[in-house]
Amino acid sequence: DVKVTQSSRYLVKRTGEKVFLECVQDMDHENMFWYRQDPGLGLRLIYFSYDVKMKEKGDIPEGYSVSREKKERFSLILESASTNQTSMYLCASSLDVSAYEQYFGPGTRLTVT
Amino acid sequence: DQQVKQNSPSLSVQEGRISILNCDYTNSMFDYFLWYKKYPAEGPTFLISISSIKDKNEDGRFTVFLNKSAKHLSLHIVPSQPGDSAVYFCAALGGSNYKLTFGKGTLLTVNP
Repeated sequence: DVKVTQSSRYLVKRTGEKVFLECVQDMDHENMFWYRQDPGLGLRLIYFSYDVKMKEKGDIPEGYSVSREKKERFSLILESASTNQTSMYLCASSLDVSAYEQYFGPGTRLTVT
Repeated sequence: DQQVKQNSPSLSVQEGRISILNCDYTNSMFDYFLWYKKYPAEGPTFLISISSIKDKNEDGRFTVFLNKSAKHLSLHIVPSQPGDSAVYFCAALGGSNYKLTFGKGTLLTVNP
């Protein structure tokens, strides 16, 4: 079974703090993704990566950056957290360009106060 | 501009009956569609998918139908069980092989 793990289930940070969300997958997947889920808005793609050190912006990249130094790990960085970044953050991975199915981690509920 | 639409935020059905969840899309470049199920405090899990070259795909109690001319797909669950109660997301893929576009989700409640 594919396992995608996220470093924290719940996180509370203050406005202006730098926040790191970590995601690790154990199936040697090429592609990794970060989404946020908000009520009434569904899942929105923030960034994705199709190879180590490669990244592309998704639909809502503003206020976020990412890092992929190793194939199994994909980090989402909030440079200066704001209250409108309070959300559920979901990491996902998929095998490669031929595989459409994405496997999701359990999510991190981030609250910015 | 919402390219994948799930117009029903919620649906309630009785155990044993059929659940039908609907999804519409606007982008004709989409050529692969997926359904995900999400329980509270968990990540979405893949349920079933369909390629645009097919009009039906079945997996146990779950069947997805695709009507390309209407740009509409639906997920049928028969018979519905209380454990099916969850949020269901429709997702579409096209153009880029990496990026899924999700709908806003439909909360299904199956009453015992």
